[in-house]
Amino acid sequence: DTAVSQTPKYLVTQMGNDKSIKCEQNLGHDTMYWYKQDSKKFLKIMFSYNNKELIINETVPNRFSPKSPDKAHLNLHINSLELGDSAVYFCASSQDPDNEQFFGPGTRLTVL
Amino acid sequence: SQKIEQNSEALNIQEGKTATLTCNYTNYSPAYLQWYRQDPGRGPVFLLLIRENEKEKRKERLKVTFDTTLKQSLFHITASQPADSATYLCALEGGSYIPTFGRGTSLIVHP
Repeated sequence: DTAVSQTPKYLVTQMGNDKSIKCEQNLGHDTMYWYKQDSKKFLKIMFSYNNKELIINETVPNRFSPKSPDKAHLNLHINSLELGDSAVYFCASSQDPDNEQFFGPGTRLTVL
Repeated sequence: SQKIEQNSEALNIQEGKTATLTCNYTNYSPAYLQWYRQDPGRGPVFLLLIRENEKEKRKERLKVTFDTTLKQSLFHITASQPADSATYLCALEGGSYIPTFGRGTSLIVHP
């Protein structure tokens, strides 16, 4: 069973569109994260969601919004996509913020 | 400003030798430090976590040290194998539950 899954694996879209990436974890974890990994492989935290508390990295544009329908899911919505949004997006989860994280396989987003 | 530094140049070693990777940080007071492995096209995989009150931690062929005075962690892989070739990332607790990752060091183990 996959611990942390993401869909889709690849997403190609036009500038200006709105898109979503889904993430699910079956580990019973309380904390979930979204990361962006750019072309230089730098892994940057975007959001941390723990017990309904959302911690936002202040550098993330407000076009990005996480949505958590329940504890096992943390989806990422992106409005008005820009070329610079092209990257690999990783979802992760952990039992609590002080413990190891389990990463999903990533979603490669390409904005044309 | 806060910085996490890992060697940007790839580390090339011969099979059987010990690989040592470095993670230096400034302007952090992390409660813990983690090491992850990332293979091309995949998400990072957790390896070890070491807390600020621990000097050293081991897991099979892996060893991590954490020196809060030097603000440095060393990650060792003994008896390295070509299958250990990957990018290794260190991550710090950056406060307010914001994990912060270094850029990673690529390790290449030659047979």
